[in-house]
Parts: sequence; structure tokens; C-alpha cells
Amino acid sequence: DGGITQSPKYLFRKEGQNVTLSCEQNLNHDAMYWYRQDPGQGLRLIYYSQIVNDFQKGDIAEGYSVSREKKESFPLTVTSAQKNPTAFYLCASHSAGQVPDTQYFGPGTRLTVL
Amino acid sequence: DAKTTQPPSMDCAEGRAANLPCNHSTISGNEYVYWYRQIHSQGPQYIIHGLKNNETNEMASLIITEDRKSSTLILPHATLRDTAVYYCIVRAPYSTLTFGKGTMLLVSP
Repeated sequence: DGGITQSPKYLFRKEGQNVTLSCEQNLNHDAMYWYRQDPGQGLRLIYYSQIVNDFQKGDIAEGYSVSREKKESFPLTVTSAQKNPTAFYLCASHSAGQVPDTQYFGPGTRLTVL
Repeated sequence: DAKTTQPPSMDCAEGRAANLPCNHSTISGNEYVYWYRQIHSQGPQYIIHGLKNNETNEMASLIITEDRKSSTLILPHATLRDTAVYYCIVRAPYSTLTFGKGTMLLVSP
């Protein structure tokens, strides 16, 4: 099946620990994105990458880090510097010139920091 | 700030048409209108998008006013599975998506 996978679906961590969320896509898309969603709110962009070995900060990058060593993978690390890490995290991918021109989203990871 | 304005919630009876409005009075000439929906605890799903002409696909129809300052997403025969948050987004080519709070559509039996 082609698509975007995020793992795990639910993740629990203790305060002060770094945690890495996985995002993999086999759609051969160039661009990948990480969003955060809080209850009752829309999605906010954390980081995005338009090509391997390159990425840009989104609107709320503080306390997060990413890497893009492979086209298929775009892991997100939530560091201890992130003040309120408990949220629903969504990964997406996109390829310029595709029809329709849109982002495709994964199922999300719900992170709870205790 | 979000570039679109949507009602926070709407109700629709199952089998009837759901008409979801969106205002985007500051839309630029090169910006498209996109609609996504998000079922609870899932990732958003693309529905449809358009520039200035009305569009239709297997999921919905998109009606854009002539001045492009507003649009309406139409689900012709709403089902219970259409209950979701619907996001209207304006986006220029090669730019990122900016999500507002959307409209919570509740389809009732």
C-alpha cells in the first residue's frame, strides 16, 4: 500500500525526556511536513523539508528538531526544551506537479508527557 | 492569522445536502481555495480545490463566487461518516498550508 505511516499511534513519556516520532512515506514525494494539533485547534506547522538534507522552520519550531537523511523518512524529535509537548502530531508529504496538488497526511501520533 | 473565516459548527440531516461556507475576502489572484476534512483523531483528508471555476469530484462540489471572496463546499448527500471538522484554506502555489479552526459538521440520523 502506498501512503504515509507514523508510529507509534500513542506515545507516553516522562517530563524532561527527548522523544522521536517516526514518519515514513513510500509515495516518492519530495516534500515532507510536521504539524502539531492541540484540542479544538487547527494544525500548526513545526518544520518542513522540500528536499533531502534540507529543512526549514515552521511557525512553532522551538523545542523541536528534525532530520531528512532519506527521501522516505522525516523523523521529529520533541526535546525537553518544548514547554508543552503533549499534543497530536501529524506528518504530511507532497510532491510538486502531482495531480491533485495537495498534501497527504499520516494517521498521527498522540504524545502525552507525564 | 488565518486568511479564511468559517462558522464554528453546523448541523445537517443524513441524506440532505451539507453546504459549508467560507469567506476569504483577502484572497490573492494566484491563491487557490482548498478544502480538507478531519475525522476525530485522524489525519486531515483532501477533499477538493479550485482557483476560480466551480469544481466537482466524487466527494464534493466547490462553488467559488465570481469575485472569489467566498466559497461553498457542498456534500450532496451527507452521511453519518461525513461528520468531521472541515477546513477551508487559501494557498498560493509552492507555499505551505495554514489551518484555521474549521467548521465542525455534525450529521444526524
